[in-house]
Amino acid sequence: QKEVEQDPGPLSVPEGAIVSLNCTYSNSAFQYFMWYRQYSRKGPELLMYTYSSGNKEDGRFTAQVDKSSKYISLFIRDSQPSDSATYLCAMSRQAGTALIFGKGTTLSVSS
Amino acid sequence: DTEVTQTPKHLVMGMTNKKSLKCEQHMGHRAMYWYKQKAKKPPELMFVYSYEKLSINESVPSRFSPECPNSSLLNLHLHALQPEDSALYLCASSLGGLEQFFGPGTRLTVL
Repeated sequence: QKEVEQDPGPLSVPEGAIVSLNCTYSNSAFQYFMWYRQYSRKGPELLMYTYSSGNKEDGRFTAQVDKSSKYISLFIRDSQPSDSATYLCAMSRQAGTALIFGKGTTLSVSS
Repeated sequence: DTEVTQTPKHLVMGMTNKKSLKCEQHMGHRAMYWYKQKAKKPPELMFVYSYEKLSINESVPSRFSPECPNSSLLNLHLHALQPEDSALYLCASSLGGLEQFFGPGTRLTVL
C-alpha cells in the first residue's frame, strides 16, 4: 500500500461547481498536510497548509484533515476555468523531513 | 522577495556533458530542497540542505552532486547523466521545514 493515495482523475466540472479533492494515507505519524496546485510545465504552488486535524479556509478554498480516518480533503467553491490544474496533496511527519506527495488529481473547469 | 528562482529554465545536454542547475531564494529560509519530477508523476525528493549542510540524500546516484555555497543559493551539478534522467528539476525552500515553496523548475533533456 502506498503511503499516500490520490485519485489521478481527470476530473471535469462546469464553471461554478463545488470541487472535492481527496487523499488517504496510511502512516499515522503524518502531522503536516499541504495542498499544492501545479499548472502544466510549472512548479507546484502552495495553496493550503494544515497542522493535525481540523478545517482551514482561505477564500474559495477549504482544507479538511481527519486524522482518525487518515483522510484529507480540499474543497473549491465557485470553481473557475483558471482553477484547471493538477492538485497535489502532500504530507510530512515533522519539520525538515521529506514531503510525501500524492499522485495528483488533474482538474478541468469548463466555462 | 517572496519567490524561489531557478536557472536555466530549459537545459539540453549530452551524456558526456557537465552542467549545473542553480536555485536562489532571498526569503531567509534555512532549508532548501532538490526534487525530481517526471511527466504526470509527483515530485520525488532528492536532497535536503538544512543550514547549508546536507541533511538528507535519498540514495541519489553520484552523477548528481548538490552544493549549497551559502544560505540563499543551491546548486545541482550534473555529470554523465542518462536519458532516463530527463525530467523537471524543482528547487524548494522553507523557513522551518514545514511549508515548502517551489521554484518554476528546470526542464532537463538528456540526449
